[in-house]
Amino acid sequence: EVQVVESGGGLVQPGGSLRLSCAASGFTFSSYAMSWVRQAPGKGLEWVSLISGSGDTTYHADSVKGRFTISRDNSKNTLYLQMNSLRGEDTAVYYCAKQGGDLLDPWGQGTLVTVSS
Amino acid sequence: DIQMTQSPSSLSASVGGRVTITCRASQSISSYLNWYQQKSGKAPKLLIYAASSLQSGVPSRFSGSGSGTDFTLTISSLAPEDFATYYCQQSYSTPYTFGQGTKLEIK
Repeated sequence: EVQVVESGGGLVQPGGSLRLSCAASGFTFSSYAMSWVRQAPGKGLEWVSLISGSGDTTYHADSVKGRFTISRDNSKNTLYLQMNSLRGEDTAVYYCAKQGGDLLDPWGQGTLVTVSS
Repeated sequence: DIQMTQSPSSLSASVGGRVTITCRASQSISSYLNWYQQKSGKAPKLLIYAASSLQSGVPSRFSGSGSGTDFTLTISSLAPEDFATYYCQQSYSTPYTFGQGTKLEIK
């Protein structure tokens, strides 16, 4: 079964840092790009970051550029999102998803990040 | 960035009814348009990709159409489990923007 499972969320103070992880299984991880998408409480979906299968190419939304870094360890079948200089508006459920070509499938269950003092 | 606009933002319908949700892109995206369903407290689920291709395992009452800037998602005969929020997403160019969502409620 193709599956992705996020972890690492929690409560962090404004200006702080957090690293999210996404463990993948059931597919050849290095062959697929991966994405992070977030959803603020009661709001819609916002695409955050994408990384190619090899990890050579990355993209970030303007709202997180310079603060968030997407990376992957293909030997561990794991995707990461390093989040620095966190702000209140970064509070959201963060989902990772397998980027199969142009589509996101499947998605993980999400991990909640709360930025608050 | 490409802006995606869905309409309506919410709608009410009855079980067995037919609904259509519209998604408009701010520029042409060819057929690089996906539809996702999200139930309360759950992760989104892919329904339709490349504007009109049904994801494996998705009931045939779901269909998508369109190209260029205008797209539709149609549910032909609503089942109780279809009441959820639906999002379109363009995958033509990064950032891969989503529409604001359409909440489908039971009448």
